[in-house]
Parts: sequence; structure tokens; C-alpha cells
Amino acid sequence: AQSVTQLDSQVPVFEEAPVELRCNYSSSVSVYLFWYVQYPNQGLQLLLKYLSGSTLVKGINGFEAEFNKSQTSFHLRKPSVHISDTAEYFCAVVQASGGYQKVTFGTGTKLQVIP
Amino acid sequence: EAQVTQNPRYLITVTGKKLTVTCSQNMNHEYMSWYRQDPGLGLRQIYYSMNVEVTDKGDVPEGYKVSRKEKRNFPLILESPSPNQTSLYFCASSLLAGTGYNEQYFGPGTRLTVT
Repeated sequence: AQSVTQLDSQVPVFEEAPVELRCNYSSSVSVYLFWYVQYPNQGLQLLLKYLSGSTLVKGINGFEAEFNKSQTSFHLRKPSVHISDTAEYFCAVVQASGGYQKVTFGTGTKLQVIP
Repeated sequence: EAQVTQNPRYLITVTGKKLTVTCSQNMNHEYMSWYRQDPGLGLRQIYYSMNVEVTDKGDVPEGYKVSRKEKRNFPLILESPSPNQTSLYFCASSLLAGTGYNEQYFGPGTRLTVT
């Protein structure tokens, strides 16, 4: 079984400050890792993904994440946030092999950017 | 335009009255999935489908049914809705790659209230 933990349910941060949203996962097999963003009253859209290769992944809107296999983490970072980054962020883990695919989402972290 | 559509977007119903939420995608994706989103619980998978006539239970399937008679459509059926099924529902689709994972595309969501 796989699981995803987003320990911070809410993260307030001042505009132009850096932010890190934490994501830890557990799985007995190799997985793929994703961050999605949900703006108020909207669906989810992909921010970035890690499938293989370089452990530092860059996404849209200036976000990046680093895959750390030894710590089973995939934390999301942005060096300087904007008001428009206020949203809920979801980490997701996918186990995929031989046509089988299992997706598990974390419980989400609400990022509140303070002017 | 590539998209996942859901109908209706908003629905208020009464306990026990059967309802269907439709989901359709125009990207020829094999994989389709239904999630419910509840505060503090994130997205939980209800059912998923790897292809036509191939469906399987997710993490919270009780009280729901699905069917996949055509590749583009994946309706969610609530035979006898109850108040604990009041939630925000998302449909998603993706390709089912043999050697990797393609990100899911999400519909706009259906807000269901069962009284």
C-alpha cells in the first residue's frame, strides 16, 4: 500500500517571501510523484512531475520540487511567492506497472499569501 | 480543445433519489477515474477504469457504481444517495503508458448536496 502525507494543512506566508510545502510518501515499489494546484472554485491542474532522471524538477509559475529517495520526500518550493499563488496544493503518488495504475493524493496544503 | 467535461456542475437532491453524474473526455485516454474531495481529507479515489469494460474499486467505492461502455465516457452512479455523499466530485483522465505515467487531466468538478 502507498500513502502520502502533507503535514501542513495551512501555510501563511508574506508576499515575496520563499515557501516550502512538504510532502512525504511511503511505498514498497517505485512511484511517480506529482504536485497539483487547485485555485478557488476550480479543478486541479498539474504543477510539476517527477518520473525519473534529475531529482530537481521545475514546474509552472516558478515552482520547483526535489525528489529525495532516502527521505521519501518531494517538497515543493518557490523562492518568492505572489498573491496569485494563493491556492490549495496537492501532492500525489502514482504506482504504475504492467498496465496497472494506482493514484493516491495527499490531504492538501492551503497556501495563503499575505500582502 | 482537449478537455474533461462533467455534468451537472451543481446538484441538490434528496436521500434515495438515484442520480448520475456524467464525465466525458475528448483525448482518447484509456484511464479514467472518479474522486471525491472533502475538507481535510483531500481527494479520495472512488472508482477507476483502465479501459472500456475494465473498472475497479478505489479507496472509497461504497455507495457508488460506474460503467465504461465507451472510451470517452465514465459516468458515476449513485443508486440511493445519502447525506454522507455530499461532496465535491472530480472526474479525471490520462493515457495509460506502458513505461511511465502521464498526468491526469481533471474536470471542473460537480458539487453534490444530498438532503
